[in-house]
Amino acid sequence: EVQLVESGGGLVQPGGSLRLSCAVSGFTFSIRSSYWMSWVRQAPGKGLEWVANTKQDGFEKYYVDSVKGRFTISSDNAKNLLYLQMNSLRVEDTAVYYCAREGGYEGSADYWGQGTLVTVSS
Amino acid sequence: EIVLTQSPGTLSLSPGERATLSCRASQTVISSYLAWYQQKPGQAPRLLIYGASSRATGIPDRFSGSGSETDFTLTISRLEPEDFAVYYCQQYGSLPKTFGQGTKVEIK
Repeated sequence: EVQLVESGGGLVQPGGSLRLSCAVSGFTFSIRSSYWMSWVRQAPGKGLEWVANTKQDGFEKYYVDSVKGRFTISSDNAKNLLYLQMNSLRVEDTAVYYCAREGGYEGSADYWGQGTLVTVSS
Repeated sequence: EIVLTQSPGTLSLSPGERATLSCRASQTVISSYLAWYQQKPGQAPRLLIYGASSRATGIPDRFSGSGSETDFTLTISRLEPEDFAVYYCQQYGSLPKTFGQGTKVEIK
């Protein structure tokens, strides 16, 4: 059974940093895998926003413009972990952050974690 | 960036009725790489449809998707009580992958 479990959310001041983790199980998480992994966020009471994704070999990474230069997506295949390093956080980054697997059905997200809340506030 | 516009914002229907949700793209969605997700309060989204018209594993056949290029539709043939939720479309053919703003299907 595929499972994704996020952690690392919390309250941080504007300008601060936070690292989110996503523990992955139930499928091959390696550089030879055909799956991509992504982060999607949802501000309170709002819709979904795709944030970033990475091929599991780590050579391809893409970001939405609003986080480029501030957020970094990465993975540790040996530990089956996906990360999102978030620096220079802004109030507008406040959201539930979901990790998701892409590629089970083309590039759509077929498995999602339960989400972790990041609150940026002074 | 491809902007997806969903309509209506809210759909008020009764169980057993048919729901028709629209998703319009600001430019052609490559290869009909269009997905639909269902989200209930406090839960993560769930993939329903990919490739505009293919159902994901375990999705009931009352859910169907259609459309191409810039106009896509999700149809729920007969609403069950568990179908009342928010539905999002997403295009994944171009980066950044973008979502529509959502359509809420509520009980009338």
